Amino acid sequence: AQSVTQPDIHITVSEGASLELRCNYSYGATPYLFWYVQSPGQGLQLLLKYFSGDTLVQGIKGFEAEFKRSQSSFNLRKPSVHWSDAAEYFCAAGVGQFYFGTGTSLTVIP
Amino acid sequence: DTGVSQDPRHKITKRGQNVTFRCDPISEHNRLYWYRQTLGQGPEFLTYFQNEAQLEKSRLLSDRFSAERPKGSFSTLEIQRTEQGDSAMYLCASSYGELFFGEGSRLTVL
Repeated sequence: AQSVTQPDIHITVSEGASLELRCNYSYGATPYLFWYVQSPGQGLQLLLKYFSGDTLVQGIKGFEAEFKRSQSSFNLRKPSVHWSDAAEYFCAAGVGQFYFGTGTSLTVIP
Repeated sequence: DTGVSQDPRHKITKRGQNVTFRCDPISEHNRLYWYRQTLGQGPEFLTYFQNEAQLEKSRLLSDRFSAERPKGSFSTLEIQRTEQGDSAMYLCASSYGELFFGEGSRLTVL
């Protein structure tokens, strides 16, 4: 069955520190992959996407993600976190029908 | 293009009543999705359309739920005989690749 796993429910980082959010997927073939961010009371905003090609993709707000087929992973990274990055982050995967992980809540300490 | 719009934004109803949500997608997008999101969880897939054809329905979509997309434009999601467990945020997204989400319709069943 198709599924998306985000192992970290909550992560706390200091402002200026680097960030990596983990995402693993289970799918029959290589799916389309996405990262979305959701701030409290706000809608889901697309950070970046992977359809094919270069396995390192750049997104908005300084985020990047790397697709690793051998590990069925699509981890999100940012070199230096800003206080405004505090939010809920969701990984999604699929072809036609898209599945979301349960999310990782990011807290940024000043 | 004003993005994906959903109506109403909030709905409070009594158990047993019927409710209907409307979604207007981005005009050139041929796919339309409905998701449900509860507090602290990721979006759960409910159903999706390609043009007017409903291609997939989740097992979460009991016979009390029905979705339509007449003429391949706007879509409605109806919940009959609402239960307290139906309280959630109902999200609509449209797609021509990645998903673009609306702000959601929050349902509270008393």
